[in-house]
Amino acid sequence: EAGVTQSPTHLIKTRGQQATLRCSPISGHTSVYWYQQALGLGLQFLLWYDEGEERNRGNFPPRFSGRQFPNYSSELNVNALELEDSALYLCAIGGLAGVDTGELFFGEGSRLTVL
Amino acid sequence: AQSVTQPDIHITVSEGASLELRCNYSYGATPYLFWYVQSPGQGLQLLLKYFSGDTLVQGIKGFEAEFKRSQSSFNLRKPSVHWSDAAEYFCAVYSGGYQKVTFGTGTKLQVIP
Repeated sequence: EAGVTQSPTHLIKTRGQQATLRCSPISGHTSVYWYQQALGLGLQFLLWYDEGEERNRGNFPPRFSGRQFPNYSSELNVNALELEDSALYLCAIGGLAGVDTGELFFGEGSRLTVL
Repeated sequence: AQSVTQPDIHITVSEGASLELRCNYSYGATPYLFWYVQSPGQGLQLLLKYFSGDTLVQGIKGFEAEFKRSQSSFNLRKPSVHWSDAAEYFCAVYSGGYQKVTFGTGTKLQVIP
């Protein structure tokens, strides 16, 4: 069973629209991390949720937002899409609850294309 | 603030040759260090990690990495590269608590026959 399930796999939107990406961690993992991987820019940290709370946020504008649900799944919303938002969005989980090592387990990602 | 530098954007090696990918980090204390691999269109897979103790750590797929505090480095090595090792490799650092995990910009490995 995969540790992290992301949906959709691919998403095509036009400028100005909104995109919603979803992440479901395997049971027992309460931390969810979001990263943006744009071409040539490596992984840029977006958001970190743990136990339903936002723990850390990267240097992204407010139109990038998210939340974590009681079952620890998470949603990333990107409003007012711009062309440069085209990227692979990766969700990752940390270790089991209470185990803080920085080790991340990634999903396959959601490829967002903005036209 | 923690940071990671991978000075090589792209490396080409022949199949069977040895490999070393460089990673330098910036952090006041000893951080947790990681190497991840990403095949095209895929998520990242953890290759190995260093938390403390023995400075030479072994990972999956025959990879190893050595932590050198004096050089603030955590270079990844493999004695004999296989064609299936062609991928992008990321070094990452974590300093604990609610700090984010910071990734380097990655090194793309090409393996030629």
